Amino acid sequence: QQQVKQSPQSLIVQKGGISIINCAYENTAFDYFPWYQQFPGKGPALLIAIRPDVSEKKEGRFTISFNKSAKQFSLHIMDSQPGDSATYFCAALGAGGYQKVTFGTGTKLQVIP
Amino acid sequence: EPEVTQTPSHQVTQMGQEVILRCVPISNHLYFYWYRQILGQKVEFLVSFYNNEISEKSEIFDDQFSVERPDGSNFTLKIRSTKLEDSAMYFCASTRHQGYTDTQYFGPGTRLTVL
Repeated sequence: QQQVKQSPQSLIVQKGGISIINCAYENTAFDYFPWYQQFPGKGPALLIAIRPDVSEKKEGRFTISFNKSAKQFSLHIMDSQPGDSATYFCAALGAGGYQKVTFGTGTKLQVIP
Repeated sequence: EPEVTQTPSHQVTQMGQEVILRCVPISNHLYFYWYRQILGQKVEFLVSFYNNEISEKSEIFDDQFSVERPDGSNFTLKIRSTKLEDSAMYFCASTRHQGYTDTQYFGPGTRLTVL
């Protein structure tokens, strides 16, 4: 019940295309959903985050779509660039362990020229 | 920009040996965390620490693990008797405030290899 499920495991996108990564959760006590970006040899870095009281949040080329009733959320990367090639983790917080980040399994994104 | 630092970047040890992983959180941060990532798997929460006390720990964080803030800048994770399955990347993180919407800043990690 504490898990966050993430798909796909890996993704190859052409430069300029849209990258879409999906996540789902079960615990309705989660109420903060960040996405982290991780480059090789680095720790995860916060990319964008959303609260469940909004359905969409956009920052530059990155958009989170949130469907509270379905308990699903997704990250869309518009105009994907080779520099976006990294591993992306969805995550969730709340549920009592308010400081504990529960991570998804990660998606390795490769953007090819 | 301030950042979390971790040393060493890679630690190789023999099974049964003690290891200490070191972290220097961002200087004005008050809440500290350790996570681990077994190769190819997700990042998992180990422990959170505030005011010189553990505030939460996961089932992974058993009696073989301990954390300490020995001075005003360092935050350490000790594994008393390492096992093969402790091989993983260990990340330290810190936040300024207690609220869960506050960004956790992660260090670059220490890769622990247990032989």
